[in-house]
Amino acid sequence: QSALTQPASVSGSPGQSITISCTGTSSDVGSYNYVSWFQQHPGKAPKLMIYEVTNRPSGVSSRFSGSKSGNTASLTISGLQAEDESDYYCSSYTTSNTLVFGGGTKLTVL
Amino acid sequence: QVQLVESGGGVVQPGRSLRLSCAASGFTFRSYSMHWVRQAPGKGLEWVAVIWHDGSDKYYAESVKGRFSISRDNSKDTVYLQMNTLRGEDTGVYYCATTGAPWGQGTLVTVSS
Repeated sequence: QSALTQPASVSGSPGQSITISCTGTSSDVGSYNYVSWFQQHPGKAPKLMIYEVTNRPSGVSSRFSGSKSGNTASLTISGLQAEDESDYYCSSYTTSNTLVFGGGTKLTVL
Repeated sequence: QVQLVESGGGVVQPGRSLRLSCAASGFTFRSYSMHWVRQAPGKGLEWVAVIWHDGSDKYYAESVKGRFSISRDNSKDTVYLQMNTLRGEDTGVYYCATTGAPWGQGTLVTVSS
């Protein structure tokens, strides 16, 4: 199972909106609404930000939103803040009953 | 609240075994499939294994197939990962996970002579 494809890096200025893409195939992202997004600061455990494509766990800011179209899922962060600077990973359930992750995206807040 | 707490990590020599545990609370554990995911130092996330809610089915990453075994005890709300014939490339932080639940802090496994 190949990893999902994410951009290595994205950047934005405070207050702006950015979108991180996560491209898979019809065997994973395209088959299920089981896409999750995680935020990971250096030395910390991954934090669940979005699950089942669009759902936000309790306590996660509404500035974070998820969507999906075909084989590509997206994470959008609006009103960018300095604390959003982090690594972001996507994951998807697959038709092989496994999970597959993206390679991660480093978000820089300029 | 929903919580996952991993334990059992440590330093182990290549070829030896280790068993990880993950204690769950705050949700109906027996209704959910459970995964193990790992992260090597400085690397991304790698899925390791999954077990069905009732333990009836299990799947493994190719990199651990035949060496690792996932199990669960629904009476104790705990999932396990038995790791045998450990290799250096198994070094990393191991997390348990399930849909919609926050991850725990993980447990560090270091395979080194």
